[in-house]
Amino acid sequence: EAGVAQSPRYKIIEKRQSVAFWCNPISGHATLYWYQQILGQGPKLLIQFQNNGVVDDSQLPKDRFSAERLKGVDSTLKIQPAKLEDSAVYLCASSPVQASYSYEQYFGPGTRLTVT
Amino acid sequence: AQSVTQLDSQVPVFEEAPVELRCNYSSSVSVYLFWYVQYPNQGLQLLLKYLSGSTLVKGINGFEAEFNKSQTSFHLRKPSVHISDTAEYFCAVSDRDFGNEKLTFGTGTRLTIIP
Repeated sequence: EAGVAQSPRYKIIEKRQSVAFWCNPISGHATLYWYQQILGQGPKLLIQFQNNGVVDDSQLPKDRFSAERLKGVDSTLKIQPAKLEDSAVYLCASSPVQASYSYEQYFGPGTRLTVT
Repeated sequence: AQSVTQLDSQVPVFEEAPVELRCNYSSSVSVYLFWYVQYPNQGLQLLLKYLSGSTLVKGINGFEAEFNKSQTSFHLRKPSVHISDTAEYFCAVSDRDFGNEKLTFGTGTRLTIIP
């Protein structure tokens, strides 16, 4: 079974530029999560999708961050414009609907963003 | 609101020695508890989880953890560590809320195994 795929793995941009990250969850997984992991901290949930609907985006900075999950499969997270404090690893995770009983999330390798 | 405290940011341990990584949580409701491991340049992998039942939970790679409700703790242990256990370990908590599997993570403990 293929794992969660993310691209790019690394990205360096200047502040005020835009950037987009892509995530392909495990086949059949209905729930998709985006986390932000700043150096020295634990991952922080940005947004959770159930199929193509948003379940929780309470910690997403909506003035600059946006995310979509068209057709309930792949997802894209965008930052526009980027700030220095957005430098972090962006992790994507997925889980099947039945994970509501197991609570297990499967994580991708992450995208390391550096804003200069 | 939930929170997780990992008291040790770094733990050096000699190879084949035992290790305990500490985790305390705070929540106003019943919770589920997890330990994830992150190897360099990789995503997080589930080590073990406590959902219900026995308070002693066994996971992969010889790790185990014990849920202590009175002390609101979920410490991770391994009786004999190996070089390959070098990684970052994260404790996480989730409310017992069906359909909302939001995880709140601690700040992590970096485990370094000394040969």
